[in-house]
Amino acid sequence: DTGVSQDPRHKITKRGQNVTFRCDPISEHNRLYWYRQTLGQGPEFLTYFQNEAQLEKSRLLSDRFSAERPKGSFSTLEIQRTEQGDSAMYLCASSWVLTSGRATNTGELFFGEGSRLTVL
Amino acid sequence: GQSLEQPSEVTAVEGAIVQINCTYQTSGFYGLSWYQQHDGGAPTFLSYNALDGLEETGRFSSFLSRSDSYGYLLLQELQMKDSASYFCAVRGNTGGFKTIFGAGTRLFVKA
Repeated sequence: DTGVSQDPRHKITKRGQNVTFRCDPISEHNRLYWYRQTLGQGPEFLTYFQNEAQLEKSRLLSDRFSAERPKGSFSTLEIQRTEQGDSAMYLCASSWVLTSGRATNTGELFFGEGSRLTVL
Repeated sequence: GQSLEQPSEVTAVEGAIVQINCTYQTSGFYGLSWYQQHDGGAPTFLSYNALDGLEETGRFSSFLSRSDSYGYLLLQELQMKDSASYFCAVRGNTGGFKTIFGAGTRLFVKA
């Protein structure tokens, strides 16, 4: 397995257009996360999946954002009617988390190289 | 909710030791992680503390005090390649153990 891969690496779009990003996690990982990162800031949590179930979505996330993880494998993040404020690096990460009662491992996140979105 | 505070920038010389502090507030806490990110690269995992005390991994060590909601990352024998951003991240025991990141500390290593 070559790690977490994201596609496309760069996307330039005009305001109002829809964009979709894809993430292929490490195959044996059960968790998949989406984060957004702007210059000089840390990764901001957007949403995450446990297998195919979306367990949480950030309250800061607009309804224009939607994510799916069909069959618990790859995931897509779609942004509808993009705005200039959506310009950022969109990071995907996967991990293996034990969640039976308590987490007993580090939950180390393995990040992809990200998809950089520029909205003109 | 969860929040983390860490210094925005630290500068040190090659060969020195530097400590990056992190304080956190969270409604549920399970562990504190540290990640490194070079410009243009992805964050990579450095260390994790679930219990009080010091964890050592080569030149890097991480410390946690749960009672003080405080941790630090210690980098020894600094090298130019250590110039990067360092993020502390809290893993909560609510919300499915998700990881929330701080804003990061930019480390500049000078010759």
